[in-house]
Amino acid sequence: DTAVSQTPKYLVTQMGNDKSIKCEQNLGHDTMYWYKQDSKKFLKIMFSYNNKELIINETVPNRFSPKSPDKAHLNLHINSLELGDSAVYFCASSQGVASGGTDTQYFGPGTRLTVL
Amino acid sequence: AQSVTQLDSQVPVFEEAPVELRCNYSSSVSVYLFWYVQYPNQGLQLLLKYLSGSTLVKGINGFEAEFNKSQTSFHLRKPSVHISDTAEYFCAVNRASGGYNKLIFGAGTRLAVHP
Repeated sequence: DTAVSQTPKYLVTQMGNDKSIKCEQNLGHDTMYWYKQDSKKFLKIMFSYNNKELIINETVPNRFSPKSPDKAHLNLHINSLELGDSAVYFCASSQGVASGGTDTQYFGPGTRLTVL
Repeated sequence: AQSVTQLDSQVPVFEEAPVELRCNYSSSVSVYLFWYVQYPNQGLQLLLKYLSGSTLVKGINGFEAEFNKSQTSFHLRKPSVHISDTAEYFCAVNRASGGYNKLIFGAGTRLAVHP
């Protein structure tokens, strides 16, 4: 049973297109995250949702729009894709904000986005 | 503000040799510290974390780390590495943000174990 799953695993698309990445967790966690890992492996948080509510929104272009239909799902939609959006995007989940920052984050396998 | 510095971008080592991956953090408040491992083409997995108490933390796969408050370090060690330990290792610290917490990751250290 996969704890945190993402689809698709690979995404190749042209500049200017709009694409979505889906994430689901079956751990019963309240909090979910999106991270971007660039070509140098640097990992940076983009968004976090707690129980469907946006709680962390880093300095990310507004072409990126997360959506959480329920607490088990967090999707990422990207409009007008640019070359610089090429990266690996990771979804993660954790128990919840009540833990005060102590809880473990569980990561999905990643989605490798390539913009041509 | 909290930040993390991983001092080595790459660490080559021979199989069965000991290894230390270095991590320094900066923080003016109490911290929670984490080490995550990323195997090739996979997501990150928690190796160990320091929350409080004993400064020596044991994790999975024979790894351990020592929290040193005076040196603001949280170095990761393993006494004898295997080929299968080849991976990217990330040190992370929690940062309070608008009443919530988020993980700030270091740049990663690539551990390459050679036969």
